[in-house]
Amino acid sequence: DAKTTQPNSMESNEEEPVHLPCNHSTISGTDYIHWYRQLPSQGPEYVIHGLTSNVNNRMASLAIAEDRKSSTLILHRATLRDAAVYYCILTSTSGTYKYIFGTGTRLKVLA
Amino acid sequence: NAGVTQTPKFRVLKTGQSMTLLCAQDMNHEYMYWYRQDPGMGLRLIHYSVGEGTTAKGEVPDGYNVSRLKKQNFLLGLESAAPSQTSVYFCASSLWQGLAEISGANVLTFGAGSRLTVL
Repeated sequence: DAKTTQPNSMESNEEEPVHLPCNHSTISGTDYIHWYRQLPSQGPEYVIHGLTSNVNNRMASLAIAEDRKSSTLILHRATLRDAAVYYCILTSTSGTYKYIFGTGTRLKVLA
Repeated sequence: NAGVTQTPKFRVLKTGQSMTLLCAQDMNHEYMYWYRQDPGMGLRLIHYSVGEGTTAKGEVPDGYNVSRLKKQNFLLGLESAAPSQTSVYFCASSLWQGLAEISGANVLTFGAGSRLTVL
């Protein structure tokens, strides 16, 4: 299974942009990049996903490197409610149905 | 639309007791998953199912059994609970993984979690 590598923790000031990196050097052509976040004492929730092109939605943007070996989740204006653990995972469309999570990045937002 | 519902939310067991965690989804999802999360750790996949009547092992399957007799339900069983199984258990489901061009088709939806303590 393709693995991802993320920093253990990051800090950001409130209302500033946050760039959360993820390395996935063994990604295959059929793997999608997914991001989830887990707020304190809650189950993870979906944030965004993409394959090759950059993606935007109401929560965040996803920037994918041209060689697809890394990606960055961008929160345009961090709020205190964005403090969470952010997970980057790879999901395959070629028959491997497991979603393997790593330890994620704990984002701390400073007021 | 309830999404993914886990029962019970909390449970305390003594070593050697058995119990079953129930996960129910009302979204007609094909795939269902059980994860465990230990304090300060990420999620680890226990077992998963790609459809009614199917189950498969994940990263940490030992000590657990699962069943998917109905499409909407995925049960996680502990036959003889051990203190090492103290954890928060999360269930998740997804519609399907093929043809992921359909937006959101393979996105995971999680339940709120079940906190299990084994004394």
